[in-house]
Amino acid sequence: ETGVTQSPTHLIKTRGQQVTLRCSSQSGHNTVSWYQQALGQGPQFIFQYYREEENGRGNFPPRFSGLQFPNYSSELNVNALELDDSALYLCASSWGQDHNSPLHFGNGTRLTVT
Amino acid sequence: SQQGEEDPQALSIQEGENATMNCSYKTSINNLQWYRQNSGRGLVHLILIRSNEREKHSGRLRVTLDTSKKSSSLLITASRAADTASYFCATDPLGYSTLTFGKGTMLLVSP
Repeated sequence: ETGVTQSPTHLIKTRGQQVTLRCSSQSGHNTVSWYQQALGQGPQFIFQYYREEENGRGNFPPRFSGLQFPNYSSELNVNALELDDSALYLCASSWGQDHNSPLHFGNGTRLTVT
Repeated sequence: SQQGEEDPQALSIQEGENATMNCSYKTSINNLQWYRQNSGRGLVHLILIRSNEREKHSGRLRVTLDTSKKSSSLLITASRAADTASYFCATDPLGYSTLTFGKGTMLLVSP
């Protein structure tokens, strides 16, 4: 069983630039959720994709967008980067819409915006 | 916004002691889950308790849930240095599509 993998592990960008983060879900999982975790805080929900459709969104502006592909891998895109976007971005996969299905997390991408 | 709130924010104990962390939340839930995070890495699922359950055990972990008080506790018995990590409660609020996490409790277990 392959776990959730995220790339890259670290990234440094300049304010105003755009970034794309990638996530491969655990085999057999068709739902991907993205979270932003600022230093010393808990993960904040960005959005979720289920079978290639956005299935819920947290309180993040439209410059945060995403995609899910037919193989259930996913991308998170952030445009017009701001300093406050510096955080650990976590991807988590799960099966279907079962509310009792735990999330399986990748190790995240550490984004630094300067 | 955070649905759950862990208490304490930080906890320091000796190996062999028990560690208790509490979580309070605001709205009705389907279930409550606890996750562990080591030093800025991904979160690892520990245990899930459904809204109709009151207590659950898994190895050295014991979780309780009181839906009338909207609170949960996580007890780690006979702690080890390897238990040093941040612990988060996550709720699955009714009508929401995914989990909402608290700010976490940082546990330090000294040898």
